[in-house]
Amino acid sequence: GNSVTQMEGPVTLSEEAFLTINCTYTATGYPSLFWYVQYPGEGLQLLLKATKADDKGSNKGFEATYRKETTSFHLEKGSVQVSDSAVYFCALSQHTGNQFYFGTGTSLTVIP
Amino acid sequence: EAGVVQSPRYKIIEKKQPVAFWCNPISGHNTLYWYRQNLGQGPELLIRYENEEAVDDSQLPKDRFSAERLKGVDSTLKIQPAELGDSAVYLCASSSSGSTGELFFGEGSRLTVL
Repeated sequence: GNSVTQMEGPVTLSEEAFLTINCTYTATGYPSLFWYVQYPGEGLQLLLKATKADDKGSNKGFEATYRKETTSFHLEKGSVQVSDSAVYFCALSQHTGNQFYFGTGTSLTVIP
Repeated sequence: EAGVVQSPRYKIIEKKQPVAFWCNPISGHNTLYWYRQNLGQGPELLIRYENEEAVDDSQLPKDRFSAERLKGVDSTLKIQPAELGDSAVYLCASSSSGSTGELFFGEGSRLTVL
């Protein structure tokens, strides 16, 4: 089957700290991988994506590399800001059927 | 370009009452999804439409939930009767077939059943 497992939160960091949120997946075939972010009071929005092995997605200083050998897609940022406080969801989709599978989300709070 | 629009944003009802949620996807997106998001959890698919056809409704509790997407554009999700456990955020999302798979979400409809 298809599933996504991400590290549980909540995560609290000081501003300018390094962030890693772990995500591993189980999938049949070759899925695409995504990180979505949900800011307080808003809907989910795409943060970054990778569609094949060894691809690196990046946006707003965040990066994640599609690692097929470890079935992982860990999210990283070198220096977090207070405005990065949000819930982050790892997700995969199968190219056939537009099916998406989400992790449970990791809440990040960045304090000044 | 307008995003995915959902209404109402908030709804409080008593158990056994009916409730309906409405979604207008991004223009031209033929795939529409309804998800349920419980507190502290990720979105869980309820139903997926390709145009007006429900192609995946295996997780929709059909005894009390129903959905429709007439004319392949707007969609309505209905719960009748609502139960306490239905309290959640109901998310609508849309995507364009043939894309690399990005979902566009609305802000969600938060349901509280008392």
